[in-house]
Amino acid sequence: DIQMTQAPSSLPASLGDRVTITCRASQDIGNYLRWFQQKPGKSPRLMIYGATNLAAGVPSRFSGSRSGSDYSLTISSLESEDMADYYCLQSKESPTFGSGTKLEIK
Amino acid sequence: EVQLVESGGGLVQPGRSLKLSCLASGFTFSNYGMNWIRQAPGKGLEWVASISSSSSYIYYADTVKGRFTISRDNAKNTLYLQMTSLRSEDTALYYCAREGGPYWGQGVMVTVSS
Repeated sequence: DIQMTQAPSSLPASLGDRVTITCRASQDIGNYLRWFQQKPGKSPRLMIYGATNLAAGVPSRFSGSRSGSDYSLTISSLESEDMADYYCLQSKESPTFGSGTKLEIK
Repeated sequence: EVQLVESGGGLVQPGRSLKLSCLASGFTFSNYGMNWIRQAPGKGLEWVASISSSSSYIYYADTVKGRFTISRDNAKNTLYLQMTSLRSEDTALYYCAREGGPYWGQGVMVTVSS
């Protein structure tokens, strides 16, 4: 099974900060990588698909990138509405989620 | 507007069975693969099962293989998850989601406890 190692598990940050969350794949997954945002009590929301493509309606301050087996979600300038949990998901094989990152106000 | 509405959850004793449903609307259900994903209280997301648009391809997580069965009725725009031999560790909020993840239901809670 493909493992997705997500870091950090918790990320305290200030409004306006540039923040990056990373997932490392244990095997080659190509660009079969998505990022989801989940706010308390809500269903997950697709943010990035194909590792680098912004989903419909997602603000342009969000971006996705890949470097080898490392995949990153970056928020260029943190806003209060971005405080949430974030998960990566690989779908190259039997899907697996990363363990999640809680983005919170410092 | 795309909608996915889960139902069928509840409190069930260990070893018993439960069947979840997910009613889809706002898109051509028969054109898309569908997924069940769950989230235990206070925990992360876990993929459970997937089914292709015509039910030709079905996949399960190892944690539920042999106990859960995913199915669909395209005439009724409905996705199902038959859960048997339920365990306490199956306690979770169960979401249905369209392939690719752009649309999710609100989730239905399953609690396995004596």
